Amino acid sequence: QKEVEQNSGPLSVPEGAIASLNCTYSDRVSQSFFWYRQYSGKSPELIMSIYSNGDKEDGRFTAQLNKASQYVSLLIRDSQPSDSATYLCAVNKPGGGADGLTFGKGTHLIIQP
Amino acid sequence: EPEVTQTPSHQVTQMGQEVILRCVPISNHLYFYWYRQILGQKVEFLVSFYNNEISEKSEIFDDQFSVERPDGSNFTLKIRSTKLEDSAMYFCAARDRETNEKLFFGSGTQLSVL
Repeated sequence: QKEVEQNSGPLSVPEGAIASLNCTYSDRVSQSFFWYRQYSGKSPELIMSIYSNGDKEDGRFTAQLNKASQYVSLLIRDSQPSDSATYLCAVNKPGGGADGLTFGKGTHLIIQP
Repeated sequence: EPEVTQTPSHQVTQMGQEVILRCVPISNHLYFYWYRQILGQKVEFLVSFYNNEISEKSEIFDDQFSVERPDGSNFTLKIRSTKLEDSAMYFCAARDRETNEKLFFGSGTQLSVL
C-alpha cells in the first residue's frame, strides 16, 4: 500500500520568509516525485518535479529529495501572500506512464502579510 | 499551458441516478486519468486509460464506474447508480507526449449526490 504523508498544517509563515514543506513516502520503489499547489476549490497545479537525490531549483521554489530517508521537501523563498494554498506531495512508481499518482493529503500554507 | 476541459463544472443528482462526467484533453495527450477529491480529503486515483483501454484502476473504481473515449476526443467517466458517498470533486487529468511526467488537470466537476 503506497502512502504519502504530509503535515496538514496550517503552516503560517511571514511574508518574505522561507516556507518549508515536508513529505514522506512509504514505497521504496517510488521513482518520481511531484509538488502540486491547490487553491481552494481549484484543481492541482504542478509546480515542481524531482527524480534524483539532491536539490532542484526553479525560481523561488526548491525541491529536495532523499531516497534513502524516503523524504521529499519543498522550499519556497521570499514567500508571497499569493503562495497561500494547499501543497500536495505526489509520488509515482518507476516508469510512470499510465500509473496513477499517489497524493498526500496536503499541507495548508498561510503567508501572513 | 495546455488545457484540459471538463464539463459540467457542477452536477447535482439524486441517489441511484446515472451521471456522466466529460473531459476534453488536447490532441497530443497520451494517457488519461480520473481522480476524485472528497471535501477536505486527499486527491485519490480512480483509473488510467491508454490506447483506448483501462491501464490501471484503484479499489475505488468498482463495477459502478466505467470510462470510455467514444469519439477519440471526449473522455468520459460514468457512474451507473450514484451513492451519497460519491459526492466529490472529480478531476480529469492527462499527460502530453513531449513531457510525459507532467500531468495536466482539468478544472474539475463538483458532483453532489442527494
